[in-house]
Amino acid sequence: DGGITQSPKYLFRKEGQNVTLSCEQNLNHDAMYWYRQDPGQGLRLIYYSQIVNDFQKGDIAEGYSVSREKKESFPLTVTSAQKNPTAFYLCASGSGGAFTDTQYFGPGTRLTVL
Amino acid sequence: AQKVTQAQTEISVVEKEDVTLDCVYETRDTTYYLFWYKQPPSGELVFLIRRNSFDEQNEISGRYSWNFQKSTSSFNFTITASQVVDSAVYFCALSEADSTGGFKTIFGAGTRLFVKA
Repeated sequence: DGGITQSPKYLFRKEGQNVTLSCEQNLNHDAMYWYRQDPGQGLRLIYYSQIVNDFQKGDIAEGYSVSREKKESFPLTVTSAQKNPTAFYLCASGSGGAFTDTQYFGPGTRLTVL
Repeated sequence: AQKVTQAQTEISVVEKEDVTLDCVYETRDTTYYLFWYKQPPSGELVFLIRRNSFDEQNEISGRYSWNFQKSTSSFNFTITASQVVDSAVYFCALSEADSTGGFKTIFGAGTRLFVKA
């Protein structure tokens, strides 16, 4: 089955710890994205990557880091510098990495920092 | 600047009622794309429709229909004969190129639809 997988679905961490969220896709898409969703709000872009070994900051990149070493994978690290990391994180992919693309989403990871 | 407004925070209807979810957008570009996504309680966003700015034809897909009007910068979504399975949060989004050579996708805040049996 083609799709996007995110793991884990729920993640709990202590304050001050870095944590890495996994995102894998087997759709052969060039572009991948990370969004953050807070209760009652829309999605906000953290980082995106249009091609392997390249990525761009989104609107709320501070306190986050990413890597894109493989086409299929785009892990997101939430660092201790992120002031309010508790949120729902959604990964997406798209075939072309342009504004014309449809983005397809994974099931999300709900991160809770205690 | 880009902006997407979904003024209806929550809507509650009884099964079989028709319901329209409003989406109003702001952009200076003439070339852009509009999207609707559904987010059921499981959390995953499900793609519903993509429409480019040059195609103002309304679209119907089963019980779903979309009304795109550039004159009012609106891209409204209607569900006919709603069902309990339609209960979800629905997001409207706008995507266009930006001045850096990249692009931006802006999501509205979403409308939570409750369909009661």
